Amino acid sequence: GQNIDQPTEMTATEGAIVQINCTYQTSGFNGLFWYQQHAGEAPTFLSYNVLDGLEEKGRFSSFLSRSKGYSYLLLKELQMKDSASYLCAIMDSNYQLIWGAGTKLIIKP
Amino acid sequence: ETGVTQTPRHLVMGMTNKKSLKCEQHLGHNAMYWYKQSAKKPLELMFVYNFKEQTENNSVPSRFSPECPNSSHLFLHLHTLQPEDSALYLCASSQAGTGEPDTQYFGPGTRLTVL
Repeated sequence: GQNIDQPTEMTATEGAIVQINCTYQTSGFNGLFWYQQHAGEAPTFLSYNVLDGLEEKGRFSSFLSRSKGYSYLLLKELQMKDSASYLCAIMDSNYQLIWGAGTKLIIKP
Repeated sequence: ETGVTQTPRHLVMGMTNKKSLKCEQHLGHNAMYWYKQSAKKPLELMFVYNFKEQTENNSVPSRFSPECPNSSHLFLHLHTLQPEDSALYLCASSQAGTGEPDTQYFGPGTRLTVL
């Protein structure tokens, strides 16, 4: 079966660093996406990884290990506006996105 | 005009009503999607249209009926829904088949409540 696991909720402090993990088992792999979703708003694209390694984009970085079925999203210099849900999604062999349930990140002052 | 728009943003309907959700994308994409998002659950893909042709129907009950008149517009027609259909319905679009990552861009969603 297909399965994507993320922690349900995490809490971090403004200015700190937080790592959100995603592990997956899917039928085929054509890339991994991270999206951010603020409450009541649309999910917005953050990053895409298809090869192993780290992709850095400003304060956000995403890492992928295909052999381990593992990814993480690293958020640095946290700001209050980073409070949101972070969704991990895998593009499977049929080029359809399989979604995790999302991690709700709470930032405290 | 923002990338993907959806109307209405909120909808309350009884189980015997008929209503429609509308989605419009201004990104020149060739694929459009309907998703259902329930609290604390993963996004559930409902329907996919590529070049106006339906290519995916993930065992969605017939009380949900999609329509894609052209590559910019997508509708979801609702009829005799159940209370468990209450959820956020998200529309997305992408440019499929280019060899680049098939990144999906989402609308703000319609919050549906079925009484």
